[in-house]
Amino acid sequence: QVQLVQSGAEVRKPGASVKVSCKASGYTFTGYYMHWVRQAPGQGLEWMGWINPNSGGTNYAQRFQGRVTMTRDTSITTGYMELSGLRSDDTAVYYCARSTATIMPPGETLRRFDLWGRGTLVTVSS
Amino acid sequence: DIHVTQSPSSLSASVGDRVTITCRASQSISSFLNWYQQKPGKAPELLIYAASSLQSGVSSRFSGSGSGTDFTLTISSLEPEDFATYYCQQSFSIPYTFGQGTKLEI
Repeated sequence: QVQLVQSGAEVRKPGASVKVSCKASGYTFTGYYMHWVRQAPGQGLEWMGWINPNSGGTNYAQRFQGRVTMTRDTSITTGYMELSGLRSDDTAVYYCARSTATIMPPGETLRRFDLWGRGTLVTVSS
Repeated sequence: DIHVTQSPSSLSASVGDRVTITCRASQSISSFLNWYQQKPGKAPELLIYAASSLQSGVSSRFSGSGSGTDFTLTISSLEPEDFATYYCQQSFSIPYTFGQGTKLEI
């Protein structure tokens, strides 16, 4: 079935890195961008960036530039998000999400997050 | 960055009520606005995209309207499963940004 399956919870110390995986199944992996969105405990949603699984091209939110790296392995239809220099305020549930594109007049692309993984809790604590 | 503000932050209602949640963008985003529902411990689910298009499989009691800077999500007649947190999200420019959420409580 169409789904995104994420890796399990992680605990890291401040300053360390974490790499979360997201395996896609049931659809053409290279046909849809993959995004990463995080949610701190009791807080709202924060978009981190996207990767185009077809080309490997990425676009990161500026506040994560230099700390986040999104990659993919098309042979196993899996996307990855690595966050380095972890701080306590990086403690959050990290979601991967597929976006479907809609062409809006006069030709711009609207992306909607129509398929989500169940989330991976990353805890940063000394 | 485009700032997106939802109101109210929380809302108490009863089964069968009609409720409206509003979302205001800090600049015009045309119709590049999506709505999501999130239940505790679960991932968000897409309800409405492009301001007014109903996502496949979503109940028709959900509807969206608006363009430019002001948008609304309306639930025509609340069902028990609708009590959740709702987020709007602008898809006009990067970084994509979400509203702070509206918690709909019984």
